[in-house]
Amino acid sequence: QVQLVQSGAEVKKPGSSVKVSCKASGGSFSGFAFSWVRLAPGQGLEWMGGIIPVYDRVNYAPNFQGRVTITADVSTSTAHMELRSLRSEDSGVYYCARDRGIMVRGEFDSWGQGTLVSVSS
Amino acid sequence: DVVMTQSPLSLPVTLGQPASISCRASQSLLYIDGNTYLNWFHHRPGQSPRRLIHKVSNRDSGVPDRFSGSGSGTDFTLKISRVEAEDVGVYYCMQGTYLPLTFGGGTKVEIK
Repeated sequence: QVQLVQSGAEVKKPGSSVKVSCKASGGSFSGFAFSWVRLAPGQGLEWMGGIIPVYDRVNYAPNFQGRVTITADVSTSTAHMELRSLRSEDSGVYYCARDRGIMVRGEFDSWGQGTLVSVSS
Repeated sequence: DVVMTQSPLSLPVTLGQPASISCRASQSLLYIDGNTYLNWFHHRPGQSPRRLIHKVSNRDSGVPDRFSGSGSGTDFTLKISRVEAEDVGVYYCMQGTYLPLTFGGGTKVEIK
């Protein structure tokens, strides 16, 4: 059973960037797609984008396009999500999630524990 | 983008009674491979979301059989046959047929 372990909580200033990592252990990494999902206070779950590591193919949600970069390092079984030009509305919990197969289908059968990002001046 | 509309927004339920959540997509979720990529997730505060159902009606391992999913095309339903205390939280439908993936707004289930 794969376990996804995310990096720790971050406190950031508006206009700065944050990079969150997600390390997979106990299972295959390159054989699956990984996504990032945000939960902002008072909001619902929101898909940010996903990556297929074996193809290095990435798709982003329109709301985040241009501000987010998702990468994957197969050698360390780690996915990364960087969000730039942070604003207060970006505060929330960021989750990585593994898809059931190699395509980005939202069939997330494993989730990281979540990383709290606080954006405040 | 495919818009996923859930109802109700809030669902107070009595323990042991059934509950039903509706999810409607703005276009058919039937993919060219014959699959319908509609998932249901349960999210308790302070925990990571958990997938309950994938491809409309396939219950995940370890998910109690009181949970069931149904539907086709654009209309889907998650049913809980007898609500238990551990079922509280927010339920989300999510479509995976089209990119970008999109979630419904969520339904908060609470005990009366």
